[in-house]
Amino acid sequence: EAQLEESGGGLVQPGGSLRLSCAASGYNFVAYAMNWVRQAPGKGPEWVSYINSGSTKTFYADSVRGRFTTSRDDGKSSVYLQMHSLRAEDTGVYYCARGGMISDSWGQGTLVTVSS
Amino acid sequence: EIVMTQSPATLSMSPGERVTLSCRASQSVSSNLAWYQQKPGQAPRLLIYGASATATGIPDRFSGSGSGTEFTLTISSLQSEDFAVYYCQQYENWPPLTFGGGTKVEIK
Repeated sequence: EAQLEESGGGLVQPGGSLRLSCAASGYNFVAYAMNWVRQAPGKGPEWVSYINSGSTKTFYADSVRGRFTTSRDDGKSSVYLQMHSLRAEDTGVYYCARGGMISDSWGQGTLVTVSS
Repeated sequence: EIVMTQSPATLSMSPGERVTLSCRASQSVSSNLAWYQQKPGQAPRLLIYGASATATGIPDRFSGSGSGTEFTLTISSLQSEDFAVYYCQQYENWPPLTFGGGTKVEIK
């Protein structure tokens, strides 16, 4: 059974940076693309970024392009989200999710709060 | 960007009832539509993909139908553990992947 565990969330001031990590286990990590999806308080999910297996393709939502970078380390079965120039509207729970078009396994999420 | 619209926003239902949730796409997504269930404090869980294929481990009381721009998620007999928020998501034309605003199924 696939398991995903996010870490790295916390409170950060506007304009600050944060790096989220997601550790995967229970499946062949290298064979799967990964997504980051976030959810603002009381809102629906919002797709943030995608990275394919092999790290040759990355896609980003318009709202984060140029500020966020996703990467993966297949040796550590981990995917990362580096976030810069954070804004209040980036506040929410960030989930990593297995798969590209369809996310069939999700982590429990890590909370990012952008506030002064 | 394809906009997904779900209706109604909230459904008040009783256990045992049949539930029908709707999702509409702003342009055709063919059958490239998924449904997720989310309970408070939990991550979304994949229920349906390809508009009608049930994900692994999902009870057969959940079914999906539709194609193009109109989709339906049906719960044949509502169980206590089914009270949750349900989201549709298209993957026909991406990036971006886009989700609907959700339908909350609450206890009547």
